[in-house]
Amino acid sequence: DAGVIQSPRHEVTEMGQEVTLRCKPISGHDYLFWYRQTMMRGLELLIYFNNNVPIDDSGMPEDRFSAKMPNASFSTLKIQPSEPRDSAVYFCASSRLGQYEQYFGPGTRLTVT
Amino acid sequence: AQSVAQPEDQVNVAEGNPLTVKCTYSVSGNPYLFWYVQYPNRGLQFLLKYITGDNLVKGSYGFEAEFNKSQTSFHLKKPSALVSDSALYFCAVRALSGGYNKLIFGAGTRLAVHP
Repeated sequence: DAGVIQSPRHEVTEMGQEVTLRCKPISGHDYLFWYRQTMMRGLELLIYFNNNVPIDDSGMPEDRFSAKMPNASFSTLKIQPSEPRDSAVYFCASSRLGQYEQYFGPGTRLTVT
Repeated sequence: AQSVAQPEDQVNVAEGNPLTVKCTYSVSGNPYLFWYVQYPNRGLQFLLKYITGDNLVKGSYGFEAEFNKSQTSFHLKKPSALVSDSALYFCAVRALSGGYNKLIFGAGTRLAVHP
């Protein structure tokens, strides 16, 4: 299995631009998670899906952030408009029902200037 | 509410010596506990988990963890450290409310193994 795939690996954009991060979970996994990691705040759970349905989005920082999962093999995290404080590494992870452990992708390093 | 604490920001150990990275938890009911490792510029990698059974759990790369219910701890251990073990280590516990598969992560402990 290729593991969780994220794209792009690096994104540099200017403040005010729209940013879209993409994730392909491991085939057969029922859960998909989006995390953000910064030095100041550590690892934060933003949102997670079960069978493509958003279950808990309480970690989404504000309305500028949105996430979708149109099918079992694809999810996006969108930031519109982006701000410098959104600079972080964004991880996607997936897990299987009853397995509990999550498998992480390599992350997208986002820099907003 | 469920939580985990990693009391040490950094642990320093000499190569060849045993290492311990500490984790304590707070949950209601039986805990499901996990350890992850993060190498520079990489995602988190699953090392091992405790669900039930033996208190000593063996995982990847020679790591093991000891579950201690009376001390509410789940410390990560390795008998002989390697320089390549230098990384950021996260302890996590499964949340029993708000979602079946949601994990709560600690702040992380940076392990530095010196030659």
